[in-house]
Amino acid sequence: AQKITQTQPGMFVQEKEAVTLDCTYDTSDPSYGLFWYKQPSSGEMIFLIYQGSYDQQNATEGRYSLNFQKARKSANLVISASQLGDSAMYFCAMRETTGGSYIPTFGRGTSLIVHP
Amino acid sequence: ETGVTQTPRHLVMGMTNKKSLKCEQHLGHNAMYWYKQSAKKPLELMFVYSLEERVENNSVPSRFSPECPNSSHLFLHLHTLQPEDSALYLCASSHGTSGGLSTDTQYFGPGTRLTVL
Repeated sequence: AQKITQTQPGMFVQEKEAVTLDCTYDTSDPSYGLFWYKQPSSGEMIFLIYQGSYDQQNATEGRYSLNFQKARKSANLVISASQLGDSAMYFCAMRETTGGSYIPTFGRGTSLIVHP
Repeated sequence: ETGVTQTPRHLVMGMTNKKSLKCEQHLGHNAMYWYKQSAKKPLELMFVYSLEERVENNSVPSRFSPECPNSSHLFLHLHTLQPEDSALYLCASSHGTSGGLSTDTQYFGPGTRLTVL
């Protein structure tokens, strides 16, 4: 079974509107971290935001916020006031701590296109 | 120079060539990673190094050979590659701890776009 599921292969949003990118995860580890990355067409994976499994509040970083619903095992990324430069691939990732693993698991990504 | 750098950014090679990809991180991190990203496939972890010791090798063919001479540098040596090895190769680094803390964030380089003819 996939540990990270991103069900939206592609999303479209109008400039200045908000958009939500879905991510669900599967783990039995009580302690884990969730990450979102942005990958523009240039290729570099840019770290956006982190949410820890024990964090009481949803993480926010500027226009990015993470809608963390632990019981549903979802960690959706919300981008407010979309800009043309937000057009990119977005990847959700999870790092578990069981066994001291160094290996985060990535989803397949969601392609976001922002229309003017 | 800051962050994670990779050279070259683009590489075209024949199947009989030998080339190397270089990654350098300026973040004081202890762990470094090689990933392969092919079109329409998930990100594939290839190798993980922690404090210059290889801690993960994800069943990667022997035509890919990693080298980590120190915690700031990581190489991927390539020889007798196949056309299906054409992909974006991404290097990443993180603080890395023996406990594998969930907060350990990876920072990526810009990648090397490899084409094997």
